[in-house]
Amino acid sequence: DAGITQSPRHKVTETGTPVTLRCHQTENHRYMYWYRQDPGHGLRLIHYSYGVKDTDKGEVSDGYSVSRSKTEDFLLTLESATSSQTSVYFCAISEGGASDEQFFGPGTRLTVL
Amino acid sequence: AQSVTQLDSQVPVFEEAPVELRCNYSSSVSVYLFWYVQYPNQGLQLLLKYLSGSTLVESINGFEAEFNKSQTSFHLRKPSVHISDTAEYFCAVSDGYGGATNKLIFGTGTLLAVQP
Repeated sequence: DAGITQSPRHKVTETGTPVTLRCHQTENHRYMYWYRQDPGHGLRLIHYSYGVKDTDKGEVSDGYSVSRSKTEDFLLTLESATSSQTSVYFCAISEGGASDEQFFGPGTRLTVL
Repeated sequence: AQSVTQLDSQVPVFEEAPVELRCNYSSSVSVYLFWYVQYPNQGLQLLLKYLSGSTLVESINGFEAEFNKSQTSFHLRKPSVHISDTAEYFCAVSDGYGGATNKLIFGTGTLLAVQP
């Protein structure tokens, strides 16, 4: 299995509080991605990174920011959590290239009350 | 922009019966296509992918998918399912054919429920 961990695995928070989710990889892959999974929507890309300090938006980036200061870590921040951000968040990594497999982490279940 | 349609949200099937999970994508240009599987309370893992060449691709656990360019489809099939195949299956298309960025567009998923 690809070495990807996510922390925390579960979190309950209140509306308006900041939340940071962490993705850590030991594979030295260049690309890292954050998705959210919601019933009826499948997985939707929030942000991705193509190198240290290089990030770009996905299709559902509003309300989220990311940072990547090291190859192995990709942080997702909800500046002020809302109930609509209750979801399961998955991190993924790939070596890069449109044909490459993405390897997924175990997910973080976030509940915003 | 690319889109992926999985019309069946759930497919119930009896053990040892054949199954087909349908996937259609929007673009008529060259694409890379993927099927991922998600077992309960786990992340996704790659089941199989089509990049080029033979239109029929197979996985190690008996699934196969056929790329049909004229119908823009990539349906997943298995001739005889097992209880352990119960999972959610996601079809995905790469949004960056020929490029350096692999942004996947996922379908909404199909829950395969295998009953004894």
